[in-house]
Amino acid sequence: AQTVTQSQPEMSVQEAETVTLSCTYDTSESDYYLFWYKQPPSRQMILVIRQEAYKQQNATENRFSVNFQKAAKSFSLKISDSQLGDAAMYFCAYRSERGAGSYQLTFGKGTKLSVIP
Amino acid sequence: DTGVSQDPRHKITKRGQNVTFRCDPISEHNRLYWYRQTLGQGPEFLTYFQNEAQLEKSRLLSDRFSAERPKGSFSTLEIQRTEQGDSAMYLCASSLALDYQETQYFGPGTRLLVL
Repeated sequence: AQTVTQSQPEMSVQEAETVTLSCTYDTSESDYYLFWYKQPPSRQMILVIRQEAYKQQNATENRFSVNFQKAAKSFSLKISDSQLGDAAMYFCAYRSERGAGSYQLTFGKGTKLSVIP
Repeated sequence: DTGVSQDPRHKITKRGQNVTFRCDPISEHNRLYWYRQTLGQGPEFLTYFQNEAQLEKSRLLSDRFSAERPKGSFSTLEIQRTEQGDSAMYLCASSLALDYQETQYFGPGTRLLVL
């Protein structure tokens, strides 16, 4: 079974600065997807960014980018120019490749990000 | 597109009572998922449907839990004889199977407290 580990329960960043959230995972599969989801307080979870394991290029979405190291099974999220609205729980998640038959997401325990004005 | 909706948003019940939650997915989505999230943890998969068929169940889904998706639209999750350990946030998500990236979109959740 796959596992996802987020070793930083809490992080803080100054507004306009850059922060990196860590995620490692364990799998024996070669094809899979990785995701970062954001869960603001009392609000629903939204997708921040996704990465297909077969793609060597790191995914980028505006101020959000990932550092995907397949051999090391590492998938970190970098948030640039942090904004107050970035304050939330961030979850790293893993999903098997579609053909593997299992579509469930396996989540880490999350990292609570605080943004200091 | 109104997103995934869940009802109720909060439920307080006494131990031993039955509760039922409802999830309405994004209208064209044919896959629907249920997850459970306890305090300080990430969501854990419970079960998923493709159209009206329940295709996968986690071992977390004890026989007190039952989920249905009649007609492949909304879904219900029922917990019978609730226990204090059932207290959690129950999240629903939906996705479109034809989307190769198949992003799961989450609802706001139903927070259950069992007294």
